[in-house]
Amino acid sequence: RKEVEQDPGPFNVPEGATVAFNCTYSNSASQSFFWYRQDCRKEPKLLMSVYSSGNEDGRFTAQLNRASQYISLLIRDSKLSDSATYLCVVNPRAGNMLTFGGGTRLMVKP
Amino acid sequence: DVKVTQSSRYLVKRTGEKVFLECVQDMDHENMFWYRQDPGLGLRLIYFSYDVKMKEKGDIPEGYSVSREKKERFSLILESASTNQTSMYLCASSIPGPQYEQYFGPGTRLTVT
Repeated sequence: RKEVEQDPGPFNVPEGATVAFNCTYSNSASQSFFWYRQDCRKEPKLLMSVYSSGNEDGRFTAQLNRASQYISLLIRDSKLSDSATYLCVVNPRAGNMLTFGGGTRLMVKP
Repeated sequence: DVKVTQSSRYLVKRTGEKVFLECVQDMDHENMFWYRQDPGLGLRLIYFSYDVKMKEKGDIPEGYSVSREKKERFSLILESASTNQTSMYLCASSIPGPQYEQYFGPGTRLTVT
């Protein structure tokens, strides 16, 4: 089983739609959780950290469910510019190394 | 503005050649990382360095080595390139601690023929 698993998609949604991605992780001792965004042919960039209490940044909401070992990302009122690959990232063990999921591709259509 | 630069955007090498990929960051970060990214496999960590001359193996270190002689520079070396090392290579840096953002360079697309 992969340490971090995501549905690769693509998720094709119309502008204005709400879309949610989930990601599961295998190591229950994982401490840090993130969503990164990667545009086509570009490098990944941090979208948001995911905190135990959940957190929101504008149209984006991230949730962590430790009991079921998954994190989620909700995007409301999707924009064309949200089209990208969203990478779920976990710190599965002590130390500085992160494990990246394979990414979920989102395509927002007019 | 934070910046991580990589020596080449595209590189074509022949099987058996020695290949050097260089990464430079201007943020005075202690941590530097080398990943490769392949379709369907995502980003996989090759090596990590937490200080000058210090390194740790990542998930897929076989066939690679690294060098960090200066804090701002982290090199990835393919001693004898093989076709299965054709990939996108991404360098990243961060301050110490897994909770901190990793800043990525633009990547080097390496093709080994």
